[in-house]
Amino acid sequence: SQQGEEDPQALSIQEGENATMNCSYKTSINNLQWYRQNSGRGLVHLILIRSNEREKHSGRLRVTLDTSKKSSSLLITASRAADTASYFCATDPSGSARQLTFGSGTQLTVLP
Amino acid sequence: AAGVIQSPRHLIKEKRETATLKCYPIPRHDTVYWYQQGPGQDPQFLISFYEKMQSDKGSIPDRFSAQQFSDYHSELNMSSLELGDSALYFCASSLTFNYGYTFGSGTRLTVV
Repeated sequence: SQQGEEDPQALSIQEGENATMNCSYKTSINNLQWYRQNSGRGLVHLILIRSNEREKHSGRLRVTLDTSKKSSSLLITASRAADTASYFCATDPSGSARQLTFGSGTQLTVLP
Repeated sequence: AAGVIQSPRHLIKEKRETATLKCYPIPRHDTVYWYQQGPGQDPQFLISFYEKMQSDKGSIPDRFSAQQFSDYHSELNMSSLELGDSALYFCASSLTFNYGYTFGSGTRLTVV
C-alpha cells in the first residue's frame, strides 16, 4: 500500500472557492512535499514542510502537518481554472533512505 | 534556470526490445531519482543515486538497470520490454535532504 493516501480522490469546485486536500502517511518522515501534475506532464514541486514545522504558506497555498496524526493538508485559496490538475503528497522518510513516496493523488477540477 | 532534462520525450518499442532513457540533472544536485508512472497511477520510485553511487532501490524489475556517470547524467536501461512497461518515466534531482525535487518532463514509453 502507498505511504501517502490522499483524500478526496477527486474534487470539483467553482472558481474563487477554496480547495482542501488531505494526505495521510505511515512512517516517520524528514519532510512532506506537495506536487502538482497536469495531465501527462511532469511533476511540479509546490511546497515542502519539514517534520518540525506545523504550517507553511506560499502564495495561495497553505500546508499543515500533524506528525502525531501522520497527516497533512493542502489548502488552495481563491482557486482558478488554471489550478485544475492532480495534486500529490509525497513523503521523504526519516533515516538515510533517499526517495520520495507518493500518495495516490487528488484530481482537482476548478470550473470557470 | 536549468531544469532536469530527459530524453527522449517519446519512445515506442516492441516487446522484448531494449530501451535506454537519459537524464541530465540540475548542476550541483547530488541525488538523482527515477520514477515510473503508469496510466492513472501515482509515481512509483524505481532507483536513486547519491553522488554517482546507487543509493536506494524501489520496485525496479530485474530487467531494468540504471547508472550515473562521471558527468552526473543518468541512464535507465530496460531490457526484454513487456507491454506493462508502458508508462511515463520521470527523472528527478535534488540537493540533499529537505529540499524539493525537480522533475524532468518525463519520457513516455510505449511498448507495442
